[in-house]
Amino acid sequence: GAVVSQHPSRVICKSGTSVKIECRSLDFQATTMFWYRQFPKQSLMLMATSNEGSKATYEQGVEKDKFLINHASLTLSTLTVTSAHPEDSSFYICSALRSYEQYFGPGTRLTVT
Amino acid sequence: SQQGEEDPQALSIQEGENATMNCSYKTSINNLQWYRQNSGRGLVHLILIRSNEREKHSGRLRVTLDTSKKSSSLLITASRAADTASYFCATPAGVSGGSNYKLTFGKGTLLTVNP
Repeated sequence: GAVVSQHPSRVICKSGTSVKIECRSLDFQATTMFWYRQFPKQSLMLMATSNEGSKATYEQGVEKDKFLINHASLTLSTLTVTSAHPEDSSFYICSALRSYEQYFGPGTRLTVT
Repeated sequence: SQQGEEDPQALSIQEGENATMNCSYKTSINNLQWYRQNSGRGLVHLILIRSNEREKHSGRLRVTLDTSKKSSSLLITASRAADTASYFCATPAGVSGGSNYKLTFGKGTLLTVNP
């Protein structure tokens, strides 16, 4: 149990366009989900905490207008990278909180050309 | 800021050998977790050790925690080529409330097990 999926697994987009990444908890409900970014050979950096039914909480230095988070249901959170630029190319990983433990999705590789 | 700092950053061993990775952290914690990540994939939770525990075992994994030194170690015994991955320690951002659920990850150790 406690499976988290992400879609898409890979996406390539052109600079200036927006990209939406979905994070779903498949077999449990999650009022809290987290979004991380990971650059090559580096650690995970927490971007924001997604709360169902309320606004996301962003970490210091993360632009909320650039990384839009919507947690409209207990099983789905979305991250939209708006006006993407090549420096936004990264591996984005979500996790869903269940019984005080985070369960991670497989990640989404975003490449902005 | 990064709470956990692992060392070594990279470790290469032969199959059958043991691998030890260390993690240091800076603030008080109520638990410490270790995760594994295969290249380009998501994270897999390996083990959680609470602040009142000194050692914990899970299969070929052994984790120690020394709260006085603010450090933890992960030992993988009798390593296999399939153990090749990056290993991260993670600590809660706080000790109470919502911050207890946010995790701060260390930089990770890239373990390569050669067949």
